[in-house]
Amino acid sequence: ETGVTQTPRHLVMGMTNKKSLKCEQHLGHNAMYWYKQSAKKPLELMFVYSLEERVENNSVPSRFSPECPNSSHLFLHLHTLQPEDSALYLCASSQGYGQSYEQYFGPGTRLTVT
Amino acid sequence: AQSVTQLDSHVSVSEGTPVLLRCNYSSSYSPSLFWYVQHPNKGLQLLLKYTSAATLVKGINGFEAEFKKSETSFHLTKPSAHMSDAAEYFCVVSAHPSSASKIIFGSGTRLSIRP
Repeated sequence: ETGVTQTPRHLVMGMTNKKSLKCEQHLGHNAMYWYKQSAKKPLELMFVYSLEERVENNSVPSRFSPECPNSSHLFLHLHTLQPEDSALYLCASSQGYGQSYEQYFGPGTRLTVT
Repeated sequence: AQSVTQLDSHVSVSEGTPVLLRCNYSSSYSPSLFWYVQHPNKGLQLLLKYTSAATLVKGINGFEAEFKKSETSFHLTKPSAHMSDAAEYFCVVSAHPSSASKIIFGSGTRLSIRP
């Protein structure tokens, strides 16, 4: 595997389910990100981890819970979601944390909440 | 405060003709600027970035962009469009030395290529 991988690629869940999204980066990077991409809206940054510590949480509802067990893996735990949470969830990584670092994105997980 | 505006939500060009995707930004700091491309059902891929070096930046697949501070613009161009260029393009401004939350994505420009 190369680059940034995400599993599953598609997920359908009910509002009472609990599920997790997984992201893995094979680039030796130190920062990882979760984004939400909804139709007709710009990308929304959700969480940022740098050196395995959460450094940013952009007012994301508590039904989304991130976890970064090591610098290569990032999870997004989901519970009691709402239909408006249906979106493409993108994971990204960068070599460092700061304005000049470009990000490398995974293919995303298409989430549908029923 | 930072902001980014992609002036066209949709651009359509014929294959072999030039491409121009427009982006304006505002920033309280000296910004870094990026263009990313997203093909259907794929993640975003970096095309090019500007980080206060040369104002004309060359990227992958024949794309380039010019940073114009006086016009606060960072337009993306390509001399000759190819069918494989059809995708969504995002202009991104990042303007804080140590905060990823100051990364602002534009709303995107969908590029269509006519045969």
